[in-house]
Amino acid sequence: AQTVTQSQPEMSVQEAETVTLSCTYDTSESDYYLFWYKQPPSRQMILVIRQEAYKQQNATENRFSVNFQKAAKSFSLKISDSQLGDAAMYFCAYRTSQGGSEKLVFGKGTKLTVNP
Amino acid sequence: NAGVTQTPKFRILKIGQSMTLQCAQDMNHNYMYWYRQDPGMGLKLIYYSVGAGITDKGEVPNGYNVSRSTTEDFPLRLELAAPSQTSVYFCASSKRGGSNEQFFGPGTRLTVL
Repeated sequence: AQTVTQSQPEMSVQEAETVTLSCTYDTSESDYYLFWYKQPPSRQMILVIRQEAYKQQNATENRFSVNFQKAAKSFSLKISDSQLGDAAMYFCAYRTSQGGSEKLVFGKGTKLTVNP
Repeated sequence: NAGVTQTPKFRILKIGQSMTLQCAQDMNHNYMYWYRQDPGMGLKLIYYSVGAGITDKGEVPNGYNVSRSTTEDFPLRLELAAPSQTSVYFCASSKRGGSNEQFFGPGTRLTVL
């Protein structure tokens, strides 16, 4: 079974600075998908960014980018120019490409605090 | 589009009571999911459905039941509530295809006393 590990329970960053959140995963599959979700205090789960494992190019979405290292099974999230609204729990998630449930397997999350 | 809606937002149950958490989506998604989120933890899959009439167990199905009679609705039934079922419950839906985003509802906070 696939597992996702987020080794940083909490992180903090100064407003306008850059922060990187770590995620590693374990799988025997060669094709899969990885996601970062944000959960603000409102509890709503919001997709931040996604990465297809077959793509070598790292995904980017405005201030958010990933460093995807397939051989190392690592998928870190970089937030540039941090804003107060970025404060939230961030969850890394793995999704198999095999037919069937296409379920997400989540890490335990990293709580990000943004200091003004 | 309303997206994924869940009712109720909050509920307190007594041990042994039963209830149904409602979930509906208006995006015509085939896939629907129920997750639970315990404090300090990520989301864990309870049940999922790949289409009307088709459901299957996830990682933590004990104490729950689901049905999927329509594409839009995916209710979660709790029978004989126990304190271990105190959690936040999220419903989600997506199109078929692993790269597709799962859209989440706002969650239901359930407390069993």
